[in-house]
Amino acid sequence: SQTIHQWPATLVQPVGSPLSLECTVEGTSNPNLYWYRQAAGRGLQLLFYSVGIGQISSEVPQNLSASRPQDRQFILSSKKLLLSDSGFYLCAWGRQDDTEAFFGQGTRLTVV
Amino acid sequence: QKEVEQNSGPLSVPEGAIASLNCTYSDRVSQSFFWYRQYSGKSPELIMSIYSNGDKEDGRFTAQLNKASQYVSLLIRDSQPSDSATYLCAAHSGGGADGLTFGKGTHLIIQP
Repeated sequence: SQTIHQWPATLVQPVGSPLSLECTVEGTSNPNLYWYRQAAGRGLQLLFYSVGIGQISSEVPQNLSASRPQDRQFILSSKKLLLSDSGFYLCAWGRQDDTEAFFGQGTRLTVV
Repeated sequence: QKEVEQNSGPLSVPEGAIASLNCTYSDRVSQSFFWYRQYSGKSPELIMSIYSNGDKEDGRFTAQLNKASQYVSLLIRDSQPSDSATYLCAAHSGGGADGLTFGKGTHLIIQP
């Protein structure tokens, strides 16, 4: 069966510090991968998606970036965090021929 | 702009009754629809997918889709206290790998 791992579970970072969140999927090949953010009082917002290694599409302009160095690895990064980057970051995967999405455990990021 | 609208609640339902959750979407070309359950502090869990007009049943859950009215609903029969959670409605437009558009969720409380 497929599993998705996301870490760390919680993170407290100062403003201006860098960020790296990692997500890996097991039990499937060539998945679609997604990064979402859920901020307090707001719905899930799609940040990035990827259909393959090195292929990244961005949904919203921001100071975040994403990379997919391996088939089942998806990384969310920032060079300098802002207070507004605080939120619950969720990685998700889906099959190439389907639109369902399955979420990882999430990372709760607090920028102070 | 693609939008998915839900009543934020809270929706309070007595144990054993039917809980009815509703959702509307703005993008007429949306083809796939999903209901996720999210417990407080946890990541969303996919509970139902529906692609065609009509009803789809899975255990105590029934999803209903009416594309003409751009309306999706989720019925939970024999509601249990463990069903207390936020329920997120999501829609996918087109055939690409771009992600889902989520509503902000309805907070459901099942009263023992």
